[in-house]
Amino acid sequence: SQTIHQWPATLVQPVGSPLSLECTVEGTSNPNLYWYRQAAGRGLQLLFYSVGIGQISSEVPQNLSASRPQDRQFILSSKKLLLSDSGFYLCAWGGLNTGELFFGEGSRLTVL
Amino acid sequence: SQQGEEDPQALSIQEGENATMNCSYKTSINNLQWYRQNSGRGLVHLILIRSNEREKHSGRLRVTLDTSKKSSSLLITASRAADTASYFCAPRPISSGSARQLTFGSGTQLTVLP
Repeated sequence: SQTIHQWPATLVQPVGSPLSLECTVEGTSNPNLYWYRQAAGRGLQLLFYSVGIGQISSEVPQNLSASRPQDRQFILSSKKLLLSDSGFYLCAWGGLNTGELFFGEGSRLTVL
Repeated sequence: SQQGEEDPQALSIQEGENATMNCSYKTSINNLQWYRQNSGRGLVHLILIRSNEREKHSGRLRVTLDTSKKSSSLLITASRAADTASYFCAPRPISSGSARQLTFGSGTQLTVLP
């Protein structure tokens, strides 16, 4: 069966520091992969999606970037964090036929 | 892609009562999905209804879809305290392409009181 892992689960970083959140999927090949951000008490904002290695689409211009160095690995990065980057980051992979999403457990980022 | 809008934003009921949440969207869809999120956790897919379906059941969940009104509802029957969570709808537009990206609204926060 397919599983999705995100790490770290919790992260506290100072403003201006770099960021790297990782997401890996097991049990499927060539998945569509997604990064979402959720502010406290809010809905999910789609940040990036990828349909294949090296193929990244950005939904919202911002301080973040994403990369897909391997088929089942999706990385969210920043060179210099802002206070506004705080939030709950969720990685997901997509079922190919119906588009249903399977989410990881999330990474909570606090920028101080 | 476009998001669904859930209504109400918050709902508080007693255990054993039914909970109904509504979703509205704007464009033509291929299907509409409902997800659940427990506090501090990832979203979990609950149920998917296709555009040519009007009603679907899964355990205590009943979903309806009215494509003429561009709306859907999620009914949870005989609610339990463990149903306390945020519920999101996600319409999948026909035009979503190979990426099949979904967007989500702010959700309905359901609280079931014991």
